[in-house]
Amino acid sequence: ETGVTQTPRHLVMGMTNKKSLKCEQHLGHNAMYWYKQSAKKPLELMFVYNFKEQTENNSVPSRFSPECPNSSHLFLHLHTLQPEDSALYLCASSPEMGGSYEQYFGPGTRLTVT
Amino acid sequence: GQNIDQPTEMTATEGAIVQINCTYQTSGFNGLFWYQQHAGEAPTFLSYNVLDGLEEKGRFSSFLSRSKGYSYLLLKELQMKDSASYLCAVENSNYQLIWGAGTKLIIKP
Repeated sequence: ETGVTQTPRHLVMGMTNKKSLKCEQHLGHNAMYWYKQSAKKPLELMFVYNFKEQTENNSVPSRFSPECPNSSHLFLHLHTLQPEDSALYLCASSPEMGGSYEQYFGPGTRLTVT
Repeated sequence: GQNIDQPTEMTATEGAIVQINCTYQTSGFNGLFWYQQHAGEAPTFLSYNVLDGLEEKGRFSSFLSRSKGYSYLLLKELQMKDSASYLCAVENSNYQLIWGAGTKLIIKP
């Protein structure tokens, strides 16, 4: 257990559905991250929140929408996804962004878009 | 562009030593991380290097040469549970982690 939880662990959705991924950390951290992990590819940073402010949006399509209501919770809202969006979505947290802190990862949500 | 290169896959024998290399080209450098990821699980932190040299932590050691843009992870006395992917990541000057695609390490009895 890393102190970061994600739900659901698995999700199958059609291209017209709307769903949300949830991440919660119990570590008192102030930075939270969404990553996409596809087979044999590097982790892709999608979004970063530092002290509840979004600091990064790495050219992510608008069909992905993040929300960070407080420093312990992070959501990723999904709508009208494409099959190529099927991947493992990982949430991570760290004491703050930068500072060479290690990141603590949740177990991920395995997303399949049909 | 920024990139991290590491071998896709390596095979080693239980009880032996293996070295996993990582080379990087990034916009700035604030440190290099190694993470371990077992299949179907989250990455977990192994080591951090910001200065040149070797950092030892039990059976695992990590080396950094900033002038060469090079690091390696050394695993000694390999155990079957060390079968996993090993991810190299560099924090750049924008405080972002740039990740390699990972090296899948297969341990054989």
